[in-house]
Order: sequence, then structure tokens, then C-alpha cells
Amino acid sequence: DVKVTQSSRYLVKRTGEKVFLECVQDMDHENMFWYRQDPGLGLRLIYFSYDVKMKEKGDIPEGYSVSREKKERFSLILESASTNQTSMYLCASSSRPGRTGNTIYFGEGSWLTVV
Amino acid sequence: SQQGEEDPQALSIQEGENATMNCSYKTSINNLQWYRQNSGRGLVHLILIRSNEREKHSGRLRVTLDTSKKSSSLLITASRAADTASYFCAAGGYNKLIFGAGTRLAVHP
Repeated sequence: DVKVTQSSRYLVKRTGEKVFLECVQDMDHENMFWYRQDPGLGLRLIYFSYDVKMKEKGDIPEGYSVSREKKERFSLILESASTNQTSMYLCASSSRPGRTGNTIYFGEGSWLTVV
Repeated sequence: SQQGEEDPQALSIQEGENATMNCSYKTSINNLQWYRQNSGRGLVHLILIRSNEREKHSGRLRVTLDTSKKSSSLLITASRAADTASYFCAAGGYNKLIFGAGTRLAVHP
């Protein structure tokens, strides 16, 4: 079975802190994604990556950056956390061909609270 | 803006009844997918229907797609308490999969 592992399930950070959310997948998937999920808003795409060192902005990239140095690992970085970034963050991966034609596999989510 | 939008937002039924959830989207798609999310957990893929397909079945799930109306429906037959979850449609364009806000399904024993 595909496994997408998010390193932290629950985090509490202070405003202004730099936050790293780590994600690892074990299926050699080319594509990896970071979403945030908020009540009533569904899932919104922050960034995605279709190859090592490649990244593209999603719908809400402001305040976030990403890093993909290795194929299996995709990190989401909050340079200076703010309270409006309190949310559930979901990492996901999928294989080619096509960027959306295949099933997306999700991690269990990371609940981030910024105080 | 959200590509996929589910209707209703919440649905409450008794075990054994059928549950129907609808999804509308705004632009052209390659495929439409349905996912399930148990409370506080990640999403799990249920079924994918391609833009050239009209209906697809998987166990107790039946999905239809009407590209002329830009809509899809998910039918869960003979529902069980374990089907209680949120269900999301995701519209697959060329380079992104865009999710709706979801339907919260509650199945009562």
C-alpha cells in the first residue's frame, strides 16, 4: 500500500516562528502536493511539485514556500507563522502520467495551531 | 474559487438507506474523483470517472458524470454506520485537482 507520512500530527507554534512540515512518500511518486483544509472551504492547493527541485504555486501560496531535494520528500515551510495559518495541512502524492489523471494518496494531516 | 462544489453540505440518513451526493464544477475536466475523509484524518480515494465515461460502479458506490451539465453524483447504496464521513469531489483539470467543500454524511444505526 502507498504510504504518505507526515512527520508531525499536532503542532503549536508562536507567531513569527519558522515552521517546517515534512512529508515522505514511499511509492516513488513523481508528483507531490501540499493542501490546507479549513471548515467550509474544502481543500486548497498551496504548492505542488512534479519532480525533484521543481515546484509550482497552487491557489494560495502566499506565506508559504516548499522544498523538494529528494523525490520522496516534500517540505512545506512557513517562513513567519501567523495566526491565519492555523489549519490542517495535508500532504499528498501521485504518479504520472498526467498531473491529475491518477489517484492522489494523502497523509493523515498535520494540525497546526499558531498562537 | 472552488472548482468542485458538493450538494448537500450535510446529509443525515438511517442505516440501509441510500445516500446521494452531488457535485458541480465550472470548467473542462479530464476526470472527476470522489474521496472520503473520516473525522480528523486524511482523504482516501474512492473512485475516479474519466470525462468520456458516464457511469462507474465500485461495490456499493455508483458515480455518474454529466459533462454537459458539469455535474457528478455519488450514490452509496445500503448505507452503514461506518459510511459516516465527509465526502469530497475533486475536479481534475490538466495540472491541478481542485476539491469542493465536501458533504458531511451521518448514517444512524
